[in-house]
Amino acid sequence: GAVVSQHPSWVICKSGTSVKIECRSLDFQATTMFWYRQFPKQSLMLMATSNEGSKATYEQGVEKDKFLINHASLTLSTLTVTSAHPEDSSFYICSAPPGGTDTQYFGPGTRLTVL
Amino acid sequence: GDSVTQMEGPVTLSEEAFLTINCTYTATGYPSLFWYVQYPGEGLQLLLKATKADDKGSNKGFEATYRKETTSFHLEKGSVQVSDSAVYFCAANRLTGGGNKLTFGTGTQLKVEL
Repeated sequence: GAVVSQHPSWVICKSGTSVKIECRSLDFQATTMFWYRQFPKQSLMLMATSNEGSKATYEQGVEKDKFLINHASLTLSTLTVTSAHPEDSSFYICSAPPGGTDTQYFGPGTRLTVL
Repeated sequence: GDSVTQMEGPVTLSEEAFLTINCTYTATGYPSLFWYVQYPGEGLQLLLKATKADDKGSNKGFEATYRKETTSFHLEKGSVQVSDSAVYFCAANRLTGGGNKLTFGTGTQLKVEL
């Protein structure tokens, strides 16, 4: 149990375009999901907390207009990287805790490359 | 603020060697503690957890004990295998208004050789 999926697993896009990444909890509901960014050989940096039915909360230094988050249902959160630039290239990972628990389960990640 | 400190890697061991990866934390209160493992090109997988002092988490031969007196949660395995080669992250949850957030250590890369 407690499986989180992400789609796509990798994406290549041109500079200036927008890319949407989906995060789904497959066998549980999640009122909260988290989005992380990971640079090569580094730890995970929390970008934002996605809240079902309300606005996401962003960590300091993360541009909310650039990284749009929508938590449309109890099993789906999306991260849209708008007007992507090469410096946005990274590994994006989401996580979700099943309701009432403090354990987060992570998706397999999405590798974004912006040309 | 909360922080998690891990021993720096990479750590290179021979198969069947004993593994210890140190982890200490600073936090307000008593957070739950986690070890996650990340294989190349993949997301993080929960390896084990402990929620209160003296709890021992264990999975796949790995163990870690929540030590309140030393604020530590060291990861150990008695006999590592080549398949254990991965990056290991120690993490502590921190309660915020409306939910939990994880604070990660920097990760420790483990390489096991034949």
